[in-house]
Amino acid sequence: DSGVTQTPKHLITATGQRVTLRCSPRSGDLSVYWYQQSLDQGLQFLIHYYNGEERAKGNILERFSAQQFPDLHSELNLSSLELGDSALYFCASSEGGAGNTIYFGEGSWLTVV
Amino acid sequence: DAKTTQPNSMESNEEEPVHLPCNHSTISGTDYIHWYRQLPSQGPEYVIHGLTSNVNNRMASLAIAEDRKSSTLILHRATLRDAAVYYCILKVAGSARQLTFGSGTQLTVLP
Repeated sequence: DSGVTQTPKHLITATGQRVTLRCSPRSGDLSVYWYQQSLDQGLQFLIHYYNGEERAKGNILERFSAQQFPDLHSELNLSSLELGDSALYFCASSEGGAGNTIYFGEGSWLTVV
Repeated sequence: DAKTTQPNSMESNEEEPVHLPCNHSTISGTDYIHWYRQLPSQGPEYVIHGLTSNVNNRMASLAIAEDRKSSTLILHRATLRDAAVYYCILKVAGSARQLTFGSGTQLTVLP
């Protein structure tokens, strides 16, 4: 158990819909990262938040957005869903700053039908 | 980010040592070498990291070449539970920057 909690574990939704994935980082971790893993693309970095502020953006679509709240939990919002958005979405956390180890959650399986 | 090169796949017999190589010829002086692994249907898991000296922990050992252009992750006695994709990643020291994953090495452990 990494200490990073993601909900829901599985989600099935229709094209065009919107979903929210939730992440609770390890206690005390200030950095939260989101990754997408689909069969043909491997692990792709989406976005990084540190203590509520966006720090880096990767290959995140405009239809996707994220935020980190004052209690440090984070949400990834996916809208106007397409079939190709079906993937595993991972949240990870670290101390931030000089902390080198990043801990990953178990992921949220999203299936768009 | 400096790039790493790993074999696509490797096989090992159970209870034998496994040496997983990684080349990183463009590594900079401030890059740490990190290894993560991902078991099927699970999130990536930290294995070990190092800068210049060889490192050991309860999971594995990391051997780093003197010129730091390559490294080897050593699993001393492979078990079936070690079957996973192993990623070698460079990360700037003291940075909260994200990890950039390549395609990794798929390790198959044969009983």
